[in-house]
Amino acid sequence: DIQLTQSPSFLSASVGDRVTITCRASQDISSYLAWYQQKPGKAPKLLINAVSTLQSGVPARFSGSESGTEFTLTISSLQPEDFATYYCQQLKIYPLTFGPGTKVDIK
Amino acid sequence: EVQLVESGGGLVQPGGSLRLSCAASGFTFSDHYMDWVRQAPGKGLEWVGRSRHKANSYTTEYAASVKGRFTISRDEPNNLVYLQMNSLKIEDTAVYYCARLGIGVKRASDYWGQGTLVTVSS
Repeated sequence: DIQLTQSPSFLSASVGDRVTITCRASQDISSYLAWYQQKPGKAPKLLINAVSTLQSGVPARFSGSESGTEFTLTISSLQPEDFATYYCQQLKIYPLTFGPGTKVDIK
Repeated sequence: EVQLVESGGGLVQPGGSLRLSCAASGFTFSDHYMDWVRQAPGKGLEWVGRSRHKANSYTTEYAASVKGRFTISRDEPNNLVYLQMNSLKIEDTAVYYCARLGIGVKRASDYWGQGTLVTVSS
């Protein structure tokens, strides 16, 4: 199975900060990577698929990139509504897998 | 408007069975893959399984943790996708979400239901 690791697992930041979350895959997943945001008690929300394609309606402060098997989600200027847990998911090889999540909290 | 509504969750004893339903609306049901994803209390997301679209004969894939115990099926005329769960274990306790996969090769889950809670306990 493809393992996804995320770092950090927890991040404390302030409104306006630039935030970067990293997701590393245990093998090549050829850009089959998505990012989701989840708030407490709510279903996950798709932010980005195929590494860097922003979903309709997602603010442009979110962006994604890759370098080999390392993938990055960047929030350019953190807003109050961005405090949540973020998950990456690989969609290349079954079984599909999620990263363990990164919780972004208010500093 | 795309909507996914899960139902069928509840309390079940270990070894028991439960069938979850996901009612889909607002899109062409047969054109989309559908996934089930679960989340144990306080834990992360776990992919459970997939039903491919009609063009791929609604074939299925499963996580190793549920293979042989869970079955995904569809009722196309009624736009329903089911998750039949047998031989339930305590570790199957989770909120279960159904999710629609978008169109395209690198499709991801672009719409999710609100989830339904399954509790396996004696």
